[in-house]
Amino acid sequence: SQKIEQNSEALNIQEGKTATLTCNYTNYSPAYLQWYRQDPGRGPVFLLLIRENEKEKRKERLKVTFDTTLKQSLFHITASQPADSATYLCALDMSTGGFKTIFGAGTRLFVKA
Amino acid sequence: EAGVAQSPRYKIIEKRQSVAFWCNPISGHATLYWYQQILGQGPKLLIQFQNNGVVDDSQLPKDRFSAERLKGVDSTLKIQPAKLEDSAVYLCASSWGQHTGELFFGEGSRLTVL
Repeated sequence: SQKIEQNSEALNIQEGKTATLTCNYTNYSPAYLQWYRQDPGRGPVFLLLIRENEKEKRKERLKVTFDTTLKQSLFHITASQPADSATYLCALDMSTGGFKTIFGAGTRLFVKA
Repeated sequence: EAGVAQSPRYKIIEKRQSVAFWCNPISGHATLYWYQQILGQGPKLLIQFQNNGVVDDSQLPKDRFSAERLKGVDSTLKIQPAKLEDSAVYLCASSWGQHTGELFFGEGSRLTVL
């Protein structure tokens, strides 16, 4: 069966450290992968998109890697801040007769001051 | 630029009652999505429209859920009759087209079924 797996346990890190979140998938061949941030009571907000032929993408303190052989994406936040505390969702874009975006369950990140 | 608008933000109903949610996407966005997000889970796609046609509704419980997007702009999602397990946040999102990447989400409509 098709699965998207993200760390189910919350990630707690100290301010200034690098947070690394993992997204693993099985039985999918996504055209691209996206990362979203979701704060409590709000809708998800787009952060980054990486295509299947790209290995790495950066935006300010964010970095995403995409390994289609391992079927894994890593999402890094460098120099983390308490304001980075949120749930981070991984999403795969699938071509299945049309295109649709499938989300993982998300990983909750807490950054302590 | 105005974002995706949804209403109502909160709704509490008894089981077997009906409810409707409204979504106004970003102007010019051809693709509109309805997702269901149960507490502690990721958003689950219920239905996807391209203009006013349905692209995917494979996970929409069609015996109780219906959605329409008249004139290819606003959309309404209806649940009739509601069950306890329908308690969730209903997120509307839009994008420029299919396979164009970034989805823009509204703030969601939180439904509690008692």
